Amino acid sequence: SQQGEEDPQALSIQEGENATMNCSYKTSINNLQWYRQNSGRGLVHLILIRSNEREKHSGRLRVTLDTSKKSSSLLITASRAADTASYFCATDPQETSGSRLTFGEGTQLTVNP
Amino acid sequence: ETGVTQTPRHLVMGMTNKKSLKCEQHLGHNAMYWYKQSAKKPLELMFVYSLEERVENNSVPSRFSPECPNSSHLFLHLHTLQPEDSALYLCASSRYPGLTYNEQFFGPGTRLTVL
Repeated sequence: SQQGEEDPQALSIQEGENATMNCSYKTSINNLQWYRQNSGRGLVHLILIRSNEREKHSGRLRVTLDTSKKSSSLLITASRAADTASYFCATDPQETSGSRLTFGEGTQLTVNP
Repeated sequence: ETGVTQTPRHLVMGMTNKKSLKCEQHLGHNAMYWYKQSAKKPLELMFVYSLEERVENNSVPSRFSPECPNSSHLFLHLHTLQPEDSALYLCASSRYPGLTYNEQFFGPGTRLTVL
């Protein structure tokens, strides 16, 4: 399997619920980033967590990073219909020193009104 | 999205056509990227330019030819494409690929259909 795999592939929840998405990766990283993509549009950077950080918050977003397990999670609290999108994790491998991000296949989140 | 613009937004071309995709970034960044996004596949990095010099080429077929005349503009020249090249082509920029904390800013993409 490849670097940056998201789980689940698809998630459907009701407005107001929390959404949790997970990402696993294989190599040592400088940082891990989460992006969001609305259907057929470009990606939007959400949050970056460095390899020496364990948790980071930004508004309704909470990201955790466990480098021992090579995994990260993105939690969206109090979800809204407007949060419906695909969410991707991207890893910045140490071996390429920032010249490349490796993206996963994404989690499709649907928030029902 | 206004920081990185892409034109055209949609493109339909035959296999014998030649066309170009354009990307422009207004963020003062030094690195620009081309990605290909196909259905059910992760984003594929195609090219990386840093300070107008190509620093990475991900074994992309020669029918895709990038050009970076300055740090704000990036082109992807297309010729004799195949139907499997139909995809969303995304341009991105970042401050510098060597920086450790290098979030990327994406354009809206060009939806390419090859007939």
